Parts: sequence; C-alpha cells; structure tokens
Amino acid sequence: QSVLTQPPSASGTPGQRVTISCSGGSSNIGSNTVNWYQQLPGTAPKLLIYRNNLRPSGVPDRFSGSKSATSASLAISGLQSEDEADYYCATWDDSLNGQGVFGGGTKLTVL
Amino acid sequence: QVQLQESGPGLVKPSETLSLTCTVSGGSISSYYWSWIRQPPGKGLEWMGYIYYSGSTKYNPSLKSRVTISVDTSKNQFSLKLSSVTAADTAVYYCARDGGSGSPDWYFDLWGRGTLVTVSS
Repeated sequence: QSVLTQPPSASGTPGQRVTISCSGGSSNIGSNTVNWYQQLPGTAPKLLIYRNNLRPSGVPDRFSGSKSATSASLAISGLQSEDEADYYCATWDDSLNGQGVFGGGTKLTVL
Repeated sequence: QVQLQESGPGLVKPSETLSLTCTVSGGSISSYYWSWIRQPPGKGLEWMGYIYYSGSTKYNPSLKSRVTISVDTSKNQFSLKLSSVTAADTAVYYCARDGGSGSPDWYFDLWGRGTLVTVSS
C-alpha cells in the first residue's frame, strides 16, 4: 500500500489533455515538493517534473505539474502515442524520521 | 555527461546478502546525495536509502535493519548491501542521483539502467 495514492490507469486519445492525480497527507505532499517520473516499458524512470512544477531541460512543455494542499497533479496536453508509459509521483515524508515515498504508479494508455 | 552503472550478481540465494555497486562516470560523486531504488517485477518503485559523499546515510524505515549503503570516493562508487534476502527482494535495483547539490532535494535527475536481482535457491 503506497503512502501516495494514484489511479492505477488513465487513458486518452491523441491530441487530448489528460491529468493524473496524486493524493497524500500533511506529512508528505502537504509539507514537501512533489516530483513526477515517466517510465517507458523496459527502461529506467525519467524525471519529468520536479519541485511541483519545474521541467528539466529537454522535457516538452506539454507536461506540467501542480500542487494544492495534500494533492498534486500531472497534466499532459496534446497527448502523443509516445506518452504511453507508467507515471509515478514522489515526495519526502516527514514521518518515521523521514523517508522517500512514491505513488503506486499510473499506467497511461493512448487509445 | 554523468552516467550511472549498476553492477553485481544477478542471482542471490535466500537468507544471503545482496551486494550491488553503482559506478559514477563522467563526473564526481562529491557534493551530491545518491540513492538506491528498487522495483519488483510488475510493481511500483521503492526508495531504499541514500548516502552523501561524506558518508552520512538515511534508510527506508521498512528496510533499515537489513540495508547498508556505503561510498568509496576514490573509486567514484557507492554500494548497497541488503541482508537476509527473501523472494520478496527480487527486483530491478536502480541507483540514482539526487538533483540537489549539497543538500537532498528529493528529486532524481540521473538514473542507472537498473539491474535485475533474483532471489532463488
């Protein structure tokens, strides 16, 4: 059971806008910044969004992140077939002397 | 550019100790925090712990009694040891760099390709 809750699946058609939610609590999302990772099949995760809404160099501006209270969201606009992947949110949790926590992951299917 | 590469046995027997090394190439291990993260087949990601180049560590409480992370700055490497392994420890193990320089920022901007470790007799 993950500390951060994500929907197990999401889907959209090419060109659509999709959002993936990540729900936590006061000791994690409520107190720390949120990061998002994209994992294509058979590859290592790739940093997509950091510090809630910043994009690393090379990540298209179709990807955006936001945070409000104890929840965060990843939005993908202009959906493309290559966006089909697993997406994970992550943050630090201040409980139990501090630990890193990931969401359970959301599998995005491009129909 | 900086690259990470995991290495170690792909098969470990139950009750034994899993040992992996991550080699940092193209840059220095200094001034960054370095983590181990694992992913059981078909499942999500689990942070195991991190180490600073100075040697200070923090571990996932659920693994704390079994996990040790160490660093060898002369070799630009850091290592993972996980003791008393069971089949539940079968996973792809990734090493990763925390993007915050000098203090942990809890985002991983560089990852190794991962190595599958199977626990089986």
